Amino acid sequence: SAVISQKPSRDICQRGTSLTIQCQVDSQVTMMFWYRQQPGQSLTLIATANQGSEATYESGFVIDKFPISRPNLTFSTLTVSNMSPEDSSIYLCSVDFEGNGELFFGEGSRLTVL
Amino acid sequence: LAKTTQPISMDSYEGQEVNITCSHNNIATNDYITWYQQFPSQGPRFIIQGYKTKVTNEVASLFIPADRKSSTLSLPRVSLSDTAVYYCLVGGASGGSYIPTFGRGTSLIVHP
Repeated sequence: SAVISQKPSRDICQRGTSLTIQCQVDSQVTMMFWYRQQPGQSLTLIATANQGSEATYESGFVIDKFPISRPNLTFSTLTVSNMSPEDSSIYLCSVDFEGNGELFFGEGSRLTVL
Repeated sequence: LAKTTQPISMDSYEGQEVNITCSHNNIATNDYITWYQQFPSQGPRFIIQGYKTKVTNEVASLFIPADRKSSTLSLPRVSLSDTAVYYCLVGGASGGSYIPTFGRGTSLIVHP
């Protein structure tokens, strides 16, 4: 099965700073997504990371706050900018290798903002 | 977007069969139905996927009626390790683009 690696696995950050989360997949994939999961809640889709073009953001999420890069078909980054305690959450990257709705997830990056 | 509705929580006991139903009244013709399992501090894990009728794998069965407006995930003889949150998603039309949106999920607690 595919390996999806996220870095960092967890971090504690100060208010007002930014953190970049990396997602590396061990094979090429077209469809890659970034989710946020707040404590005790379901997953919320932040955006679809498009290779070679700007990410497609869901309602309530904007590029200035969550810039995403997708330089190739195996790698993406999500930056959480100007963080506040409300950004404390688990951030997950996910891929769909065959475009058929079968998603594979990384282990997540647990972010705590003080 | 096809919205999904599931019970928020369910309780069961070891050895019992558990059935979790998901409603998706506005499912599109090409949409698949996919179920995931999530343990605390882990990403969701694929369980099973189907389009119509019944699908069975080594972990679960998925029952989909003819109108496809609902689906039922069946877990045979659950154990304590099946305690998790279960999500159903619809979408993923082959060759098309979709927005994989998670609903609230069903928190299953298996008791000794």
